[in-house]
Amino acid sequence: EAGVAQSPRYKIIEKRQSVAFWCNPISGHATLYWYQQILGQGPKLLIQFQNNGVVDDSQLPKDRFSAERLKGVDSTLKIQPAKLEDSAVYLCASRSPGRVDYGYTFGSGTRLTVV
Amino acid sequence: SQQGEEDPQALSIQEGENATMNCSYKTSINNLQWYRQNSGRGLVHLILIRSNEREKHSGRLRVTLDTSKKSSSLLITASRAADTASYFCATSPSGYKYIFGTGTRLKVLA
Repeated sequence: EAGVAQSPRYKIIEKRQSVAFWCNPISGHATLYWYQQILGQGPKLLIQFQNNGVVDDSQLPKDRFSAERLKGVDSTLKIQPAKLEDSAVYLCASRSPGRVDYGYTFGSGTRLTVV
Repeated sequence: SQQGEEDPQALSIQEGENATMNCSYKTSINNLQWYRQNSGRGLVHLILIRSNEREKHSGRLRVTLDTSKKSSSLLITASRAADTASYFCATSPSGYKYIFGTGTRLKVLA
């Protein structure tokens, strides 16, 4: 099966600019996650979708971050305005509810640098 | 907040040796997973162990879980240069939302 697709692969922006990341999960995977991974740390969950509904966004900085998953397939994560501390890799992952033992399938991530 | 904490933070071994890394966590879990992350790439799922299991094997991987001590270990036997990566444990109280640890950076020297 095709993997989780993310784009762009890299992005460099100036602080206070906006940026958007795109994720296309594995076909049929109802659950989609966005994680933020700061250099040297483990991934931190930002938001979880089940189909097109938000299940958990408790750690999403809602004053600047937003995410949507239209039609329960692709998802977009946006940052507006960006801060220096947002520099990180943004990982998208998906999972089939019926295949818990397989864990998450992650995309390769988008490396964001805010200067 | 980080639920899991891997130990050691970094490990360097010779090819052919075994590598052991540990994960400690704070709250009761439904299951625990281990992931590998090669430099600049996404995470790859290695193995999942449920809270009622004590040991699980997959190829050269052996995972143990001690719920009384809130800890897990990942053993990679006969390591190869290609095993060089960061390894993360991820825990879930519900089997629904996973929290990742801080990772162990493994370097296998040829």
